[in-house]
Amino acid sequence: DTGVSQNPRHKITKRGQNVTFRCDPISEHNRLYWYRQTLGQGPEFLTYFQNEAQLEKSRLLSDRFSAERPKGSFSTLEIQRTEQGDSAMYLCAEETGKSSGANVLTFGAGSRLTVL
Amino acid sequence: DQQVKQNSPSLSVQEGRISILNCDYTNSMFDYFLWYKKYPAEGPTFLISISSIKDKNEDGRFTVFLNKSAKHLSLHIVPSQPGDSAVYFCAASEGHETSYDKVIFGPGTSLSVIP
Repeated sequence: DTGVSQNPRHKITKRGQNVTFRCDPISEHNRLYWYRQTLGQGPEFLTYFQNEAQLEKSRLLSDRFSAERPKGSFSTLEIQRTEQGDSAMYLCAEETGKSSGANVLTFGAGSRLTVL
Repeated sequence: DQQVKQNSPSLSVQEGRISILNCDYTNSMFDYFLWYKKYPAEGPTFLISISSIKDKNEDGRFTVFLNKSAKHLSLHIVPSQPGDSAVYFCAASEGHETSYDKVIFGPGTSLSVIP
């Protein structure tokens, strides 16, 4: 499988627990993004990495959220002290090319979080 | 405040007919517009895009039209096929070359193509 890989695909946890999601991109050199998608909404930008540097964070990313991309390779998104409102699909995406001048994102299948 | 709007949550079309999905935006700084398609249990996949200097882009059965003065774009699928049944997201970006390109997505339209 040469696409963007995300693990785990589904995580069910109790409120207050910590969870970590992992994203393995196609290339170590492309910009990497995290998005969140809730029911009936489109993906919402959370954060992005250029190599190992985290260069932008959305206000949606509270201090309970932390993301890393060690050595510019895979990335992790950790949520501490989960709340029911954190239940969502967490999508990792990678810039993989251009079309009509626009940067094209290739998404992973996502990691679905359910907080009980 | 939603910068990219898709006012039709769902659409049903007969196989072989035309599907028209609409999208409106509010940010006049958007330079690029994209459509992504999403099947259940998969991530969104890129479908087609258009630059703000164009008013039409065509790729096989898919055509995107842009009306910049109305801040409106539409995706036409002709002829529609059952395999086109999916959620379609309209997306837009300001197209920064040297920094990241934050893509703003609409809420999506669920298309059902009836055989």
